[in-house]
Amino acid sequence: EAGVTQSPTHLIKTRGQQATLRCSPISGHTSVYWYQQALGLGLQFLLWYDEGEERNRGNFPPRFSGRQFPNYSSELNVNALELEDSALYLCASSLTVYSNQPQHFGDGTRLSIL
Amino acid sequence: GESVGLHLPTLSVQEGDNSIINCAYSNSASDYFIWYKQESGKGPQFIIDIRSNMDKRQGQRVTVLLNKTVKHLSLQIAATQPGDSAVYFCAENKGSGGYQKVTFGTGTKLQVIP
Repeated sequence: EAGVTQSPTHLIKTRGQQATLRCSPISGHTSVYWYQQALGLGLQFLLWYDEGEERNRGNFPPRFSGRQFPNYSSELNVNALELEDSALYLCASSLTVYSNQPQHFGDGTRLSIL
Repeated sequence: GESVGLHLPTLSVQEGDNSIINCAYSNSASDYFIWYKQESGKGPQFIIDIRSNMDKRQGQRVTVLLNKTVKHLSLQIAATQPGDSAVYFCAENKGSGGYQKVTFGTGTKLQVIP
């Protein structure tokens, strides 16, 4: 069974540009989560989607947005990129939101802002 | 506020010894706990989970202990191997009305000395 896949692996942008990161969950998983992991820091929760709806949002500015598609894949968009957006962006998926299930992570997209 | 923390940021152990990684949580309403392993350049990998109605759960070479009285979680790794070198995160999950809130600790780095 394929795990969570993210693309691209690396992304280099300049300040002010826009970035789009993509995530495909494990087959059968309906919930998708996005996290930011800056160098040396823990996972900071960004967004949570389930059944195509945004369920919760972390403490990030509105220029961080995303969506979930009918096939449960998801994308994260970051507009007006700033230097401090440089980080590893991790996507996770889980089986269902209504019972305790572990989140399974992809290997992330490394976003570098020049 | 709610928090999940770790007592030791770095743990060094001799190959073959047992490792114990500790985690404190502050939300007594949390009902599900997970341990993850993150190797360099990869996303967090699910290791083991435990629900609040249990105090111990064993996996392959790993054991998780939950002490709800003092709100403490630990991960024990038996016969630690070089491949166990990684950062280990604990996470707590509180489900409420169908919504989950997962909080991750900052991580403990495990270094295995050959």
